[in-house]
This record gives sequence, C-alpha cells and structure tokens, in this order.
Amino acid sequence: KAGVTQTPRYLIKTRGQQVTLSCSPISGHRSVSWYQQTPGQGLQFLFEYFSETQRNKGNFPGRFSGRQFSNSRSEMNVSTLELGDSALYLCASSSRPRTGIYNEQFFGPGTRLTVL
Amino acid sequence: LAKTTQPISMDSYEGQEVNITCSHNNIATNDYITWYQQFPSQGPRFIIQGYKTKVTNEVASLFIPADRKSSTLSLPRVSLSDTAVYYCLVGPMYGGSQGNLIFGKGTKLSVKP
Repeated sequence: KAGVTQTPRYLIKTRGQQVTLSCSPISGHRSVSWYQQTPGQGLQFLFEYFSETQRNKGNFPGRFSGRQFSNSRSEMNVSTLELGDSALYLCASSSRPRTGIYNEQFFGPGTRLTVL
Repeated sequence: LAKTTQPISMDSYEGQEVNITCSHNNIATNDYITWYQQFPSQGPRFIIQGYKTKVTNEVASLFIPADRKSSTLSLPRVSLSDTAVYYCLVGPMYGGSQGNLIFGKGTKLSVKP
C-alpha cells in the first residue's frame, strides 16, 4: 500500500496570508489526524477527522481549521499566518476498527511551513 | 489523560543496549503504552505497543512492571541509524480519539561511533 502523502512538502508564506495543506491517507484508512511540530513545543495534536466529521480538536486558535472529504483525504487551513506558525505539519492516518495494534498511526513526511 | 515523563536526551555508543524509561503514574486500567520513533524531517513511526509484562518484536522490547506506572523501551545493540527521537504515549485501549495520545517532546537518542 502507498503511504500517507502530504502536499506540498515545503511552503513559504508571509504574515497575514493563509495556507492550505493537503493529506491523502493510506487507502482504507478513515481517520486522519493533524499535528504541528516545532522545536520548542514538540509534537502537538491539532485535530482528528473520521468519516468527514471532526472527532477531536487540540488547543489551537480558530485560525487553524480542517476538513475531510468523502474519500478520506483531508485538508487543513491556517488563516492570517503568524511567524509562530512556522513548523512541520504532520498528517497521520489510522484504520478503524483496530486489528491488534491499538490506534497505530501512520505518518506522512510532513509539510514544512515557513512564515516570513 | 495519562501524562508521561521521559528523559529529554540520552547518549549511547554503537553496539550498546539502550533503555529508555517512561513514567506514567496515573495510567488508567484501560490504557496501553505505545512507543514511536522519529527521524529528522520525517513523521514518527510506530515501534512497539504493550499493556503489561514484556513485549518483543524485531525492533525492540517493551518492559512493563506489574503496577504499570512506568515502562522501558529497550533497543538492543544500537547503531548510528537508531539516532532519533523516541516518544512514549499512553492512551485508552478502546474508543477515544488520537487526540488522547499525547506525544510530548520525546527522548532524543544520540548514538555515537
């Protein structure tokens, strides 16, 4: 099976702009989660989608939003970018129901966002 | 949500066995323990998962004492390619969301020649 893919891999934006990142999960996986990773804060959970519904949301401002399509592909959007939004954004997919390994997530390579 | 505590960093040499301990004092009865590995500029990768006692796979072993308040990831005979960040996660076995699994900052393992 193909792994989780994320596009674009690298992105440079300026403050105040908005950005949309895309994630294609492993075929058959219906759960997609997004994470932000920075050197200072580590890996932080943004939100999870399952069957086009947001299942859980981390402690991030409303500028961060996401959605999931019927084919399980997901997008996340960040509006009014700030310098502190510079980070590696990771997408992960998992299968449900679980089959032995609970909640195993398969991560994509990430999108490196730089805000100038 | 069960909070985990693990060392920020560890150093080792090639060929040595490395043990990384994670504390999770408030682990719940239905929580399991999962470890991920992350190389620079890549997403984390699942290593091993367990509920109690010992679990072993081709990559690592996981030791969990009877009280389950801690766990130890054991990497046998590490090589330079094992240099990575290792995350310990504790979360519910049934139901719940991926958001209930907190990665934190992990343990940065540096393997030297």
